Amino acid sequence: AQKVTQAQTEISVVEKEDVTLDCVYETRDTTYYLFWYKQPPSGELVFLIRRNSFDEQNEISGRYSWNFQKSTSSFNFTITASQVVDSAVYFCALCPKTSYDKVIFGPGTSLSVIP
Amino acid sequence: DGGITQSPKYLFRKEGQNVTLSCEQNLNHDAMYWYRQDPGQGLRLIYYSQIVNDFQKGDIAEGYSVSREKKESFPLTVTSAQKNPTAFYLCASSIDAKFYGYTFGSGTRLTVV
Repeated sequence: AQKVTQAQTEISVVEKEDVTLDCVYETRDTTYYLFWYKQPPSGELVFLIRRNSFDEQNEISGRYSWNFQKSTSSFNFTITASQVVDSAVYFCALCPKTSYDKVIFGPGTSLSVIP
Repeated sequence: DGGITQSPKYLFRKEGQNVTLSCEQNLNHDAMYWYRQDPGQGLRLIYYSQIVNDFQKGDIAEGYSVSREKKESFPLTVTSAQKNPTAFYLCASSIDAKFYGYTFGSGTRLTVV
């Protein structure tokens, strides 16, 4: 099966707290690509990051960081010192190499940052 | 600026009617996609097209139809056969989804009245 699981449906944090959004994926492919997207209340999904299956190096971009662990099939996303503007639905997604560019999305995690 | 334009933003359909959602891109992307978003279910693929005049069914194609006569345009028709069409519809395009992911439009919210 090729699948993405985001077990956290909704998360609420107080501004300036750190928060981690979990993502677990399943695929038979040895080559695959992982993504995170942000969907603010306006509705349009915004690309945040891409990772390929051969690159397990963690990445940091400002307050955002991503932890990719092949051993646990996880690609978790951490927001440090959260802000109200981080309130959105976040989707983790998977594109197996054999999927002909069809991306499989997780169900999303709705993050609310309370001032 | 390059991007994807979806119209209308809100659409109301009476039961038994067909409606067409517009999706236009000026990014020169070959591939285009339609997804449906329902609360708690993420995005589900309806149809996709990798080149002009060719398209493939996704996971939930029943009750929908598409055309791809021009590279820039990928309209989606929600037919009366779609029993539960109320949802948020997102169009996306890509030059190479594995490397660059998708670019999304701002969506159309369809409601059956």
